[in-house]
Amino acid sequence: GAVVSQHPSWVICKSGTSVKIECRSLDFQATTMFWYRQFPKQSLMLMATSNEGSKATYEQGVEKDKFLINHASLTLSTLTVTSAHPEDSSFYICSARVAGKTYEQYFGPGTRLTVT
Amino acid sequence: ELKVEQNPLFLSMQEGKNYTIYCNYSTTSDRLYWYRQDPGKSLESLFVLLSNGAVKQEGRLMASLDTKARLSTLHITAAVHDLSATYFCAGNAGGTSYGKLTFGQGTILTVHP
Repeated sequence: GAVVSQHPSWVICKSGTSVKIECRSLDFQATTMFWYRQFPKQSLMLMATSNEGSKATYEQGVEKDKFLINHASLTLSTLTVTSAHPEDSSFYICSARVAGKTYEQYFGPGTRLTVT
Repeated sequence: ELKVEQNPLFLSMQEGKNYTIYCNYSTTSDRLYWYRQDPGKSLESLFVLLSNGAVKQEGRLMASLDTKARLSTLHITAAVHDLSATYFCAGNAGGTSYGKLTFGQGTILTVHP
């Protein structure tokens, strides 16, 4: 089956630093990837849609200058949390939509970010 | 804007019992997804329901979709401890929101011996 990986799986960083999270589709091409954030004991909230070769589309209330998304290839999207603060601590999950398949979407294992 | 609501949010079941989780959504959804999440883990896809009347079953779980009522159900038959997890339903509004999933709040299921 289709596999999506994320790296790192967990990261601790100091307040004010930036952290990059990678999302890769390992055995398929993904023209579109999605980034979600999940706070403890809450549901997933879509942050942005990442399209290969174009600018990401951010959901209302998500700061695009703080959460930089780059989708440089059909298998890789990156999310950079800039100037991280403790309130950015969360579980970040990406998903990838299989190119050409209208409804199949696969989730990565998630990245737990803790900002101290 | 698509809104998705699940109930119950918490479900404590005895092993061997049956129960249903309900998922209501507010506007047309192209499709309806069910996912399972274990603590500290990401989502595991359970079902994708594509059309009115769709029914899918896998083991002790069965999902159905009624697009006219904007309702999907996840039925658990003869629960076992291994089913303990959080279950999410999610819809997709389609159109310009194609592929974007809106999740319900999640139902935390605990199965007791």
